[in-house]
Amino acid sequence: NAGVTQTPKFQVLKTGQSMTLQCAQDMNHEYMSWYRQDPGMGLRLIHYSVGAGITDQGEVPNGYNVSRSTTEDFPLRLLSAAPSQTSVYFCASIDVGRSDTGELFFGEGSRLTVL
Amino acid sequence: ILNVEQSPQSLHVQEGDSTNFTCSFPSSNFYALHWYRWETAKSPEALFVMTLNGDEKKKGRISATLNTKEGYSYLYIKGSQPEDSATYLCAFSRGSGGGADGLTFGKGTHLIIQP
Repeated sequence: NAGVTQTPKFQVLKTGQSMTLQCAQDMNHEYMSWYRQDPGMGLRLIHYSVGAGITDQGEVPNGYNVSRSTTEDFPLRLLSAAPSQTSVYFCASIDVGRSDTGELFFGEGSRLTVL
Repeated sequence: ILNVEQSPQSLHVQEGDSTNFTCSFPSSNFYALHWYRWETAKSPEALFVMTLNGDEKKKGRISATLNTKEGYSYLYIKGSQPEDSATYLCAFSRGSGGGADGLTFGKGTHLIIQP
């Protein structure tokens, strides 16, 4: 069972470069989201999607774009990387039919360093 | 911005001892309270999702209680084992968005079980 798959697991960027973190899930979950984890802080929501074609901003959306063209994929784009975006990024999806109280299923995380 | 507070921040427990820790959250517009277990180098995994005041849930040696009126939840581990060593996260959702529009996470309690 693949679950939620994130790539790459590690990435080093220079300031100003762009990149896309990929997230795919094979559980037919309608709801997907991106979080970032920084030292001394809880997971913070960047963007989320409640279905294909629908996305919305979370708590810390600046500097990131998302799209949801299919149910399976929810890529996160960094348009012009900044050192403040150095973090560990987690993609998560929520069980279909349990969207309001269903648990999150997390990917393994992507560690990004911006120099 | 919602505040979800977890205490203690870290905890050392002798193998075989029982322990508990706390999550406090805003009591207004409560929807659901989640607990996740996060082992080093892995992704967070759901333990419990609770929605009703007075809820008690149990999974093996781990249990949780919920008080939505006063805004707290306790996680209990009975007879701690080395494999219980992990960071335990709680997360809160408010209103009808539930988990779909994101959870607010606490910073976690880092539990170390000493043999």
